[in-house]
Amino acid sequence: EPEVTQTPSHQVTQMGQEVILRCVPISNHLYFYWYRQILGQKVEFLVSFYNNEISEKSEIFDDQFSVERPDGSNFTLKIRSTKLEDSAMYFCASSEWADPRRSPLHFGNGTRLTVT
Amino acid sequence: QQQVKQSPQSLIVQKGGISIINCAYENTAFDYFPWYQQFPGKGPALLIAIRPDVSEKKEGRFTISFNKSAKQFSLHIMDSQPGDSATYFCAADSNYQLIWGAGTKLIIKP
Repeated sequence: EPEVTQTPSHQVTQMGQEVILRCVPISNHLYFYWYRQILGQKVEFLVSFYNNEISEKSEIFDDQFSVERPDGSNFTLKIRSTKLEDSAMYFCASSEWADPRRSPLHFGNGTRLTVT
Repeated sequence: QQQVKQSPQSLIVQKGGISIINCAYENTAFDYFPWYQQFPGKGPALLIAIRPDVSEKKEGRFTISFNKSAKQFSLHIMDSQPGDSATYFCAADSNYQLIWGAGTKLIIKP
């Protein structure tokens, strides 16, 4: 079964540094998402992306965050200047359709980001 | 109004027992209610989902009960097995954006 793959599985960075989290969505999917999960807490929506544009973004997704689909397969999340509170598990997801009733979100296994 | 409240935070059930996780919402615009299952080190995966035009949906040992007037829905796991030990998230969708509950860590004791 096709999978969403994320790299790295764990990233440690110093406060103020830039990080790029990488994702390869399922190949025939058109809608891409980033979520984050602070340890032991709820899953929070960050951003959705379709047709090389951001469709929706949450309040969390401020100017420090950006997303990009640099080629036909990768989907990246960049955090420009990391803060301690950015430490979390970041999940990439993809779906064939925007409507979750038509196609569910498929999540990757996440990247654990630790900011020291 | 955009919140989904999930309880309990954690749950321990004996093997063979029934696990019940509850969620409540306020926003009547929500019209799709999925449950996700997450194993340690993995991303969430869709388990079962329901629309508000039905009161119950069953898939194998997993059942969603939905009470539209009370704005509540719950997941029942019958004959709970150790392999069901995971974190379960309820969610609600409006305009293609999922709002997630806080999660329930379920442990099934052998």
